[in-house]
Amino acid sequence: DTGVSQNPRHKITKRGQNVTFRCDPISEHNRLYWYRQTLGQGPEFLTYFQNEAQLEKSRLLSDRFSAERPKGSFSTLEIQRTEQGDSAMYLCASSLHTGPNYYEQYFGPGTRLTVT
Amino acid sequence: DAKTTQPNSMESNEEEPVHLPCNHSTISGTDYIHWYRQLPSQGPEYVIHGLTSNVNNRMASLAIAEDRKSSTLILHRATLRDAAVYYCILRSNNAGNMLTFGGGTRLMVKP
Repeated sequence: DTGVSQNPRHKITKRGQNVTFRCDPISEHNRLYWYRQTLGQGPEFLTYFQNEAQLEKSRLLSDRFSAERPKGSFSTLEIQRTEQGDSAMYLCASSLHTGPNYYEQYFGPGTRLTVT
Repeated sequence: DAKTTQPNSMESNEEEPVHLPCNHSTISGTDYIHWYRQLPSQGPEYVIHGLTSNVNNRMASLAIAEDRKSSTLILHRATLRDAAVYYCILRSNNAGNMLTFGGGTRLMVKP
């Protein structure tokens, strides 16, 4: 399977703990996006990378959140001092962006985080 | 970001066409209209997009009103596997390709 993969698929953690999620994009896709989705809502944009550069961050991405894409391939999203409000599905997407046209985003299956 | 308005839910019979409406009265000239869908327990997947002209692909057709203030996603023959939440999204060409999802329309397909 050469789609976007995310690990773990599920994570249960206690409030105050740190968690880290990993996203492996489709090979050679230079753009990588993180979204968050709460129950019954559409996904909300968090941040995106072009290669290793983080080009945009949403206001939703508080100081407790940090994302990296050190070699322009896989990415990690870390949440420090988790809160119950962080419980959500965290989705990763990737696209190949080579010009002014639109290139569809391919989404992974998501990591479901439950903070108890 | 310009906003879209979609019905919360729609129902269709299997093998019949489905027309999913979307209103976007505040669309600007550089906004593209995108449709993604999200099947149960999966991430969203791209369906189709357009700017001004109607568009067709293997999954669906997109009909865009002449004033661009509304659009309709057309599934020509609904199958049970088309049951999903369908999101109509406006994307500015200057927005870094990020997508701003709304609440979407939950499509239910009856056998």
